[in-house]
Amino acid sequence: DIQMTQSPSSLSASIGDRITITCRASQTIRNYLNWYQQKPGKAPKVLIYSTSTLQSEVPSRFSGSGSETDFTLTISSLQPEDFATYYCQQTYSTPWTFGQGTKVEIK
Amino acid sequence: QVHLVESGGGVVQPGKSVRLSCLASGFPFSHYAMHWVRQAPGKGLEWVAFISYDGVTKSLAESVEGRFTIARDNSNNTLYLHINSLRPEDTAVYYCVRKLCGGDCYNDYWGPGTLVTVSS
Repeated sequence: DIQMTQSPSSLSASIGDRITITCRASQTIRNYLNWYQQKPGKAPKVLIYSTSTLQSEVPSRFSGSGSETDFTLTISSLQPEDFATYYCQQTYSTPWTFGQGTKVEIK
Repeated sequence: QVHLVESGGGVVQPGKSVRLSCLASGFPFSHYAMHWVRQAPGKGLEWVAFISYDGVTKSLAESVEGRFTIARDNSNNTLYLHINSLRPEDTAVYYCVRKLCGGDCYNDYWGPGTLVTVSS
């Protein structure tokens, strides 16, 4: 199975900050990388698929980049509604696997 | 509008069985492959099971093989997950998830989840 490792596991940031979350795959996954946002008590919601394609209605402050084994999710200007846990997911090979999550908290 | 609604969770004794259901609406259910993904309390997401649009192809995570069965009834727009020999480590919220494929594949719609608690 492909292992997905996110860093950091958690971070504290302020409204308006630019933040970056990293996801590393244990082997190449080309660009088959997705990002999800999960708020407490809710189901995950897809933000970005295929490394950098924004899902419909997702604000443009979210962006994704990377290739092969190293990927990033960037939020350009953190908003109150962005405080949540973020997961990366590879869909290059089965079983699809998720990173362990990055919790973004208010500083 | 796509809706996925899980049911069947609750408190179940170790060693017992449970059947989870997911009723789909708002899209042609029989055209889409589906997944179950679970999340233990305070933990991350774990893919559990996959079934193709027609029910022919199925796969399970190694951690649940032999105890979990995925099935679907396209005539009733319902996805199922049968869990036998429940263990405490099966305690989790179980999400019914749609698979969407274009050039790439991802999970575009998730149900709200149903909580299974394995406890005596």
